[in-house]
Amino acid sequence: EPEVTQTPSHQVTQMGQEVILRCVPISNHLYFYWYRQILGQKVEFLVSFYNNEISEKSEIFDDQFSVERPDGSNFTLKIRSTKLEDSAMYFCASTIEDRVSEQYFGPGTRLTVT
Amino acid sequence: TQLLEQSPQFLSIQEGENLTVYCNSSSVFSSLQWYRQEPGEGPVLLVTVVTGGEVKKLKRLTFQFGDARKDSSLHITAAQPGDTGLYLCAGGGGGSNYKLTFGKGTLLTVNP
Repeated sequence: EPEVTQTPSHQVTQMGQEVILRCVPISNHLYFYWYRQILGQKVEFLVSFYNNEISEKSEIFDDQFSVERPDGSNFTLKIRSTKLEDSAMYFCASTIEDRVSEQYFGPGTRLTVT
Repeated sequence: TQLLEQSPQFLSIQEGENLTVYCNSSSVFSSLQWYRQEPGEGPVLLVTVVTGGEVKKLKRLTFQFGDARKDSSLHITAAQPGDTGLYLCAGGGGGSNYKLTFGKGTLLTVNP
């Protein structure tokens, strides 16, 4: 069964460093998302991406964040200058166009900022 | 701001018991998803309900969407230890973006 994959599974970085989190969505999916979950808290929406552009972003997704689909398979989230409060699980999700509500999530990347 | 409240927050039961968990909102959602999440892993989609009053069954799990599309319930019959996990509901707002709004979840423990 097709699944969303994410790398790395765990990333440790120092405050102020740039990190890139990578995702490979399910191959025939057209809508892509990033969510994050701070330990013990709700899963929160960050950004949605369709047709090579951001379609919606949350207040969390400020100028330090960017997303890119550099080729036909990868979808990346970049944090330019990490802060301690960016420590969280980051989940990528994808869905096919006509079933937009059924989002399939990857296993997540645990980002730890020290 | 759309909010989803899940109850109870924690539930510990014995194997074989039945249980119901709830997901409530003051907002109308175009669809509602139930996910199950294991520690350190991503949410796994269980079901999507889109029509008010809709009932879907997945083996021993029964999902219902409220008539007004503001609430949902998950009923598990004859719970098993393998049902242990965090059950999350998530509402879809419709439109072209369809971001999901998540509840905090119900942490279910089924004791053998």
